[in-house]
Amino acid sequence: AQSVAQPEDQVNVAEGNPLTVKCTYSVSGNPYLFWYVQYPNRGLQFLLKYITGDNLVKGSYGFEAEFNKSQTSFHLKKPSALVSDSALYFCAVRYGMGSGGSYIPTFGRGTSLIVHP
Amino acid sequence: DSGVTQTPKHLITATGQRVTLRCSPRSGDLSVYWYQQSLDQGLQFLIQYYNGEERAKGNILERFSAQQFPDLHSELNLSSLELGDSALYFCASSFRTSGGDTQYFGPGTRLTVL
Repeated sequence: AQSVAQPEDQVNVAEGNPLTVKCTYSVSGNPYLFWYVQYPNRGLQFLLKYITGDNLVKGSYGFEAEFNKSQTSFHLKKPSALVSDSALYFCAVRYGMGSGGSYIPTFGRGTSLIVHP
Repeated sequence: DSGVTQTPKHLITATGQRVTLRCSPRSGDLSVYWYQQSLDQGLQFLIQYYNGEERAKGNILERFSAQQFPDLHSELNLSSLELGDSALYFCASSFRTSGGDTQYFGPGTRLTVL
């Protein structure tokens, strides 16, 4: 079985400060890890993903995430937060086989990021 | 704009009724996923289709069913609706079914069951 945890329901940060949104996962074998962002009344937008290779992954809008296999973590980071970054952030992991070789995705419960002016 | 379209945007219906949600994937994508998002359950994977065939099932109720048509659009059918089925329903698409494939999400259908 696979699972993903986002331990913080909400993260508050001042504009211009660095931000971190935490994600840990549990999966047998090598995971595929994703971050998505959801703005109010919108669908999820892809930010970045880790498949293999460099542990530091760079994505959209200045976001990056670091894959740490020993800590089974994939924290989302940004050096300088913007008020417009305020949104709901989802971490997701894919592993395992559905019928015919598919990969069932599991999403975390989401973390609300609030960036204060 | 992800390129994934969903209709309708909003749907209000009564308990016991049946509704159909429609999704058109991004051009070239063969795989379609359905999700339910609610405040108490979070984002739950329901079902996946690839090129017309069911590929994976998640927490989908027996009252719910889906299919993917030859033109690759998909429909999610919800029947005998209950108050608890009120939620946002998202469709996502990806090119194939590989674990590393990025899913692109549609804007969602908000279902309200009264």
